[in-house]
Amino acid sequence: GQNIDQPTEMTATEGAIVQINCTYQTSGFNGLFWYQQHAGEAPTFLSYNVLDGLEEKGRFSSFLSRSKGYSYLLLKELQMKDSASYLCAVMDSNYQLIWGAGTKLIIKP
Amino acid sequence: GAVVSQHPSRVICKSGTSVKIECRSLDFQATTMFWYRQFPKQSLMLMATSNEGSKATYEQGVEKDKFLINHASLTLSTLTVTSAHPEDSSFYICSALTNRDLSEQYFGPGTRLTVT
Repeated sequence: GQNIDQPTEMTATEGAIVQINCTYQTSGFNGLFWYQQHAGEAPTFLSYNVLDGLEEKGRFSSFLSRSKGYSYLLLKELQMKDSASYLCAVMDSNYQLIWGAGTKLIIKP
Repeated sequence: GAVVSQHPSRVICKSGTSVKIECRSLDFQATTMFWYRQFPKQSLMLMATSNEGSKATYEQGVEKDKFLINHASLTLSTLTVTSAHPEDSSFYICSALTNRDLSEQYFGPGTRLTVT
């Protein structure tokens, strides 16, 4: 079956760096998405990786290794507003999104 | 974990016709379901909130007469795109809530609509 795994919850300190991992097993691969979702709001697109490697966008970076079925989202210089859920989703060979359960990130001062 | 399905996964229709998309929670009851639309590499845009047994709440700018939502049961919500136009071509995603604080929101696999 198809499966996306990511940690349920993580805690980090303001100003620090945190890495949220996502591993996947899907039938085919057409890209991996990371979204941020604050409570009561729609998910916000953060990144899309389809090729191996690291993509940096400001304080957020996303890495993909297709051979390992692995991605991570790296958040630097953490701010209190980064407290949110982070969703990993993979688009399979049928262009269907397979969603992870989300990682709740708690930032402490 | 909880599973949300959508049907169809992909649909092509002609301009002027209507298309119905189903969203089902397979192993839990969802009093609230959300309908989103996604353009390539963009955030999910919330279209409407669907509550079982009551009228949907539409976000500003979403035409309620064009995007008809019916939440007939605790496991099924439907989105009907009426008189579809090519600009309605998009990826439509639903999600279902198991409780009120969004901590247990489960997303469907999406439906790709192409209007020719």
